[in-house]
Amino acid sequence: EDKVVQSPLSLVVHEGDTVTLNCSYEVTNFRSLLWYKQEKKAPTFLFMLTSSGIEKKSGRLSSILDKKELFSILNITATQTGDSAVYLCGKAAGNKLTFGGGTRVLVKP
Amino acid sequence: EAQVTQNPRYLITVTGKKLTVTCSQNMNHEYMSWYRQDPGLGLRQIYYSMNVEVTDKGDVPEGYKVSRKEKRNFPLILESPSPNQTSLYFCASSLREGYEQYFGPGTRLTVT
Repeated sequence: EDKVVQSPLSLVVHEGDTVTLNCSYEVTNFRSLLWYKQEKKAPTFLFMLTSSGIEKKSGRLSSILDKKELFSILNITATQTGDSAVYLCGKAAGNKLTFGGGTRVLVKP
Repeated sequence: EAQVTQNPRYLITVTGKKLTVTCSQNMNHEYMSWYRQDPGLGLRQIYYSMNVEVTDKGDVPEGYKVSRKEKRNFPLILESPSPNQTSLYFCASSLREGYEQYFGPGTRLTVT
């Protein structure tokens, strides 16, 4: 079974803080690295990363992949209470998709 | 509207009573997948399908069956449900394997 490990498990920040979430994975059959946000419902897509070193941005969120060191980072700047969620990282390998356990982020006003 | 639909959204059943959870997508996606989500264990892939009549096991396939007779539908079948299959189930689809997946709204299953 492919392993995807996310850290930290959870964190609490205040509005306006910057958050960095980590995702490390095993190398076998790598196709892409996917980030999702999950509130009290289905996961919603954030980013898909396939190339090393190319940052993807969407508003206050950004993500980058390091295929040499086998990890990805998701950054959230100027956090808002609406960013409170579980963030999931998934590695597509071969035809399978394996998710990490997620990082729970709580943004306090 | 592009979407993945699942039915039912909530189901309480008893051990051993066969059930089917339906999944349908209207995006002409080739790849479809089923996941279960449990506290502390995250999302785990049960089965996936790369196209009609092409299915394969994910990480936790025991106790489940799937079929893909049409491109848009990918039902999940529990022939003899047990309490350890109590979970939140998500169906997802993507254009192809490795691409962004669109998730259905989830089915909360309780087996007593």
